[in-house]
Amino acid sequence: AQKVTQTQTSISVMEKTTVTMDCVYETRDSSYFLFWYKQTASGEIVFLIRQDSYKKENATEGHYSLNFQKPKSSIGLIITATQIEDSAVYFCAMRGSNTGANTGKLTFGHGTILRVHP
Amino acid sequence: GPKVLQIPSHQIIDMGQMVTLNCDPVSNHLYFYWYKQILGQQMEFLVNFYNGKVMEKSKLFKDQFSVERPDGSYFTLKIQPTALEDSAVYFCASSPGLGGLEQYFGPGTRLTVL
Repeated sequence: AQKVTQTQTSISVMEKTTVTMDCVYETRDSSYFLFWYKQTASGEIVFLIRQDSYKKENATEGHYSLNFQKPKSSIGLIITATQIEDSAVYFCAMRGSNTGANTGKLTFGHGTILRVHP
Repeated sequence: GPKVLQIPSHQIIDMGQMVTLNCDPVSNHLYFYWYKQILGQQMEFLVNFYNGKVMEKSKLFKDQFSVERPDGSYFTLKIQPTALEDSAVYFCASSPGLGGLEQYFGPGTRLTVL
């Protein structure tokens, strides 16, 4: 069974600064995919960025980037130049490879609340 | 980006009644999912569906739950009968395939069982 752990319950930062959110995971799969989603105040869930386990390069997408440390089973999300509208709950998630019994289900962490202040 | 729609946005029913939650997935997507989120907690996988069949279901997917997508219309989650612990927000998601392809989520249906 897979497990995703986000130890930070909430983080507060000032606007235009950089923030890092932590996530560690457990899996027996040799190949897997890691995702970050955010849930806005309205409840909308938005996909942000993905890391494939077989790729050594950290994924980047706009002002989102990842700090993938495979030996530590860690996938941190870095948001640079934060904006007020980045305030949301951020969920780390994972799924196994598309071989064998893996059917695409995502396992989510408990989420980290990010508050960006002016 | 691609949009997943869910109807209704909020449903209030009495315990023991039947409820059907409707999802309109992205048009060319092939894999469909339901997740459950209790207030303040993470989303938990319920079930996924492909080619007219359930591929995998979690222990949260009780015998009272069923899913179907008749004739390519709405992907539905039916709960019959409902229980108090079914109160939650139910999110539908779809993806074009497996692999690393991300799932796109709908806005959720808030189910309140009284």
